[in-house]
Amino acid sequence: DGGITQSPKYLFRKEGQNVTLSCEQNLNHDAMYWYRQDPGQGLRLIYYSQIVNDFQKGDIAEGYSVSREKKESFPLTVTSAQKNPTAFYLCASSSSTDPPYEQYFGPGTRLTVT
Amino acid sequence: AQSVTQLDSQVPVFEEAPVELRCNYSSSVSVYLFWYVQYPNQGLQLLLKYLSGSTLVESINGFEAEFNKSQTSFHLRKPSVHISDTAEYFCAVTPTLYGSSNTGKLIFGQGTTLQVKP
Repeated sequence: DGGITQSPKYLFRKEGQNVTLSCEQNLNHDAMYWYRQDPGQGLRLIYYSQIVNDFQKGDIAEGYSVSREKKESFPLTVTSAQKNPTAFYLCASSSSTDPPYEQYFGPGTRLTVT
Repeated sequence: AQSVTQLDSQVPVFEEAPVELRCNYSSSVSVYLFWYVQYPNQGLQLLLKYLSGSTLVESINGFEAEFNKSQTSFHLRKPSVHISDTAEYFCAVTPTLYGSSNTGKLIFGQGTTLQVKP
């Protein structure tokens, strides 16, 4: 089955620690995205990548970092510089060349930092 | 630039009643339009999309949405809701024009929580 996997489903960390969230897709999509979701605030774009070895900041990139070394993978690191990291994180992918560029989402990772 | 406004943050409705979730957008270029649904603690699933042609689009589970270009709206409707429709619904747009600064990026509304009561 084609799709997007995110692991783990739930993640707990102590304040001051960096943590990496995994996102893998086997849809052969060029583009991948990371969103943050907080109650009542919809989805906010953190980073996106339209091609391997290239990525761009989204609307709320501060305190986060990404890499895109393989087409299938787009891990997100939440660094200790992120002031309020507790949230639900969603990864998505899409074609960047074939309209309508609809995005397919993973199941999400809920990060809790205490 | 594009923006999406979902006019209602919460919509409570009784089971078997009709419902409309409103979505308006603003864009200087033509856009594709989407509705996504999110069940609790899950990712988003595509519900339906408007690309071109007939302005009324339907999903397999009874939802439909109508694209109104003059009113820049894409409201979602269902004639009779079920308890299982309780979820958050997101309207989103993306430019059709390749090379636009937002090509491929979805611009989301804030979401509408549909609460279906027995």
